[in-house]
Amino acid sequence: EDQVTQSPEALRLQEGESSSLNCSYTVSGLRGLFWYRQDPGKGPEFLFTLYSAGEEKEKERLKATLTKKESFLHITAPKPEDSATYLCAVQSGGGGADGLTFGKGTHLIIQP
Amino acid sequence: KAGVTQTPRYLIKTRGQQVTLSCSPISGHRSVSWYQQTPGQGLQFLFEYFSETQRNKGNFPGRFSGRQFSNSRSEMNVSTLELGDSALYLCASSFRGTATDTQYFGPGTRLTVL
Repeated sequence: EDQVTQSPEALRLQEGESSSLNCSYTVSGLRGLFWYRQDPGKGPEFLFTLYSAGEEKEKERLKATLTKKESFLHITAPKPEDSATYLCAVQSGGGGADGLTFGKGTHLIIQP
Repeated sequence: KAGVTQTPRYLIKTRGQQVTLSCSPISGHRSVSWYQQTPGQGLQFLFEYFSETQRNKGNFPGRFSGRQFSNSRSEMNVSTLELGDSALYLCASSFRGTATDTQYFGPGTRLTVL
């Protein structure tokens, strides 16, 4: 059974204070690891897809990396608008979409 | 390009009733997946449809069902509602529904069961 664990559960940072969010996973054959951002009362917003160990992707102040056991979402010089819950999900197995397995998320608060 | 849309956005029902939620995927996307999100369990996979066929199903009771139409629009139905069914129901669409496809989520339908 696929498992995804995110840490920390909550993180409070000052504006400009860089940090990293962790996503550890156990899957039988990783097909893709996905990062989403979710604001209160809204659906998850897609950020990145990573497919193989060593892969990195960047978007504005965010950078996602992937190893064989975990993924990191690095946030550089965050702003208050980066406050949200960040979700990590994995897709494993065969060719069909068996359904994403999500972690519980990291609730990030950026204080001005 | 318009995103995934879900209707209604909010619903209040009482125990024992049934409810139908609707999802319109991104234009050109043929796969639609449904998820339930609760504070305790997080996001959990319900089922996935592709070309009007249910291909995969999560670990939910038979009260939860769905269907997909020829235009890829999808509906999910929950019968005999229980208090524990109160949740945010999210629909996600992807182009081909393969394991490497990115799923794009709609805004969700907030269901409250009284």
